[in-house]
Amino acid sequence: AQSVTQPDIHITVSEGASLELRCNYSYGATPYLFWYVQSPGQGLQLLLKYFSGDTLVQGIKGFEAEFKRSQSSFNLRKPSVHWSDAAEYFCAVATTGGGNKLTFGTGTQLKVEL
Amino acid sequence: DTGVSQDPRHKITKRGQNVTFRCDPISEHNRLYWYRQTLGQGPEFLTYFQNEAQLEKSRLLSDRFSAERPKGSFSTLEIQRTEQGDSAMYLCASSLGQGDNSPLHFGNGTRLTVT
Repeated sequence: AQSVTQPDIHITVSEGASLELRCNYSYGATPYLFWYVQSPGQGLQLLLKYFSGDTLVQGIKGFEAEFKRSQSSFNLRKPSVHWSDAAEYFCAVATTGGGNKLTFGTGTQLKVEL
Repeated sequence: DTGVSQDPRHKITKRGQNVTFRCDPISEHNRLYWYRQTLGQGPEFLTYFQNEAQLEKSRLLSDRFSAERPKGSFSTLEIQRTEQGDSAMYLCASSLGQGDNSPLHFGNGTRLTVT
């Protein structure tokens, strides 16, 4: 079965600093990969997705992610973090033929220091 | 696009009571999903519908849980004889299309507290 690991439970960065959130997946074939963001008490908002093609994908709010098959990773990056980026970030994988069900990681809580 | 709507936002109930949640997906979306999220965890898949057909149920969905989507539009999730372990955020999502790569659009969830 597929799985997603987000090794960092909490990350704190200073506003204006760069950010990288790690995500590793386990799945035999090429997965469909997603990053979602969740603010307190809210649902999840899609930041970006990878299906095929260019391994560097651009998303909303200045985020990007790079798919690395050799490392089974899909890390999320942002060159300069804003205070409003403080939230919880979830990496997810959908499997082919799986009805587009998502398997989520446990999330990374991002704190931004001013 | 009015987004996915869930009602109520919060529900407090006593153990043993039944509760029902409603989800209104984005109007043209044919797929509807229910997820459960407990504190400090990512959402876990419960069940999904394609139009009115319930195509898959997770083993997390015990026989106390039932979901319906009678006309292929809104959906309800009912929990009978609630237990304290049912306390969680229940998220609904919808998507458009037949494939496996249509992004899911999530509602703001219903937070259930069982006392």
